Amino acid sequence: DAGVTQSPTHLIKTRGQHVTLRCSPISGHKSVSWYQQVLGQGPQFIFQYYEKEERGRGNFPDRFSARQFPNYSSELNVNALLLGDSALYLCASSLAQGSIYGYTFGSGTRLTVV
Amino acid sequence: EDQVTQSPEALRLQEGESSSLNCSYTVSGLRGLFWYRQDPGKGPEFLFTLYSAGEEKEKERLKATLTKKESFLHITAPKPEDSATYLCAVQAGGSARQLTFGSGTQLTVLP
Repeated sequence: DAGVTQSPTHLIKTRGQHVTLRCSPISGHKSVSWYQQVLGQGPQFIFQYYEKEERGRGNFPDRFSARQFPNYSSELNVNALLLGDSALYLCASSLAQGSIYGYTFGSGTRLTVV
Repeated sequence: EDQVTQSPEALRLQEGESSSLNCSYTVSGLRGLFWYRQDPGKGPEFLFTLYSAGEEKEKERLKATLTKKESFLHITAPKPEDSATYLCAVQAGGSARQLTFGSGTQLTVLP
């Protein structure tokens, strides 16, 4: 049974460029959340989507956006990249919104902005 | 604002030397406290969820406990393969019910 899959695994972009990260949740999971993890820190919440609607947003600028598709996969978009956007971007899926049974994380996309 | 503080930041143990990691938290209406393990370059791996003060859960050499202000992750007779970063996170009420993470404890177990 496939876990949470994220693509690409690694990405190098130049300042000012745009990036799209992709996530496929575990089959049957309807909620997808995105987190940013800077080296040496814990993950920080960016977005949560449930049933294709945004249900929560963390303290990130409008350059960050996301969406969820009818098959429950999700994209995270970041515009006008800054050096400070370099991080591991994690996708987490759960059965329902805010599941108390926990979230399953993917292995992440390592984004480097140069 | 929900806050999670983990200590120590780093811990080095000899194989077989038991110890505890601490997670202090402040949250409005705790729904759950989560422990995750994270290996370098990987996503967090779920270990435990604790829901109420006094609750305890065990898995192999790990035991997690919860009070109204903090949680402990006890590691008994650790092995080198237990080396990882251990993350604590809280989930409060609200529409998104996102996880708020601490910065983690980096555990190294020496053979």
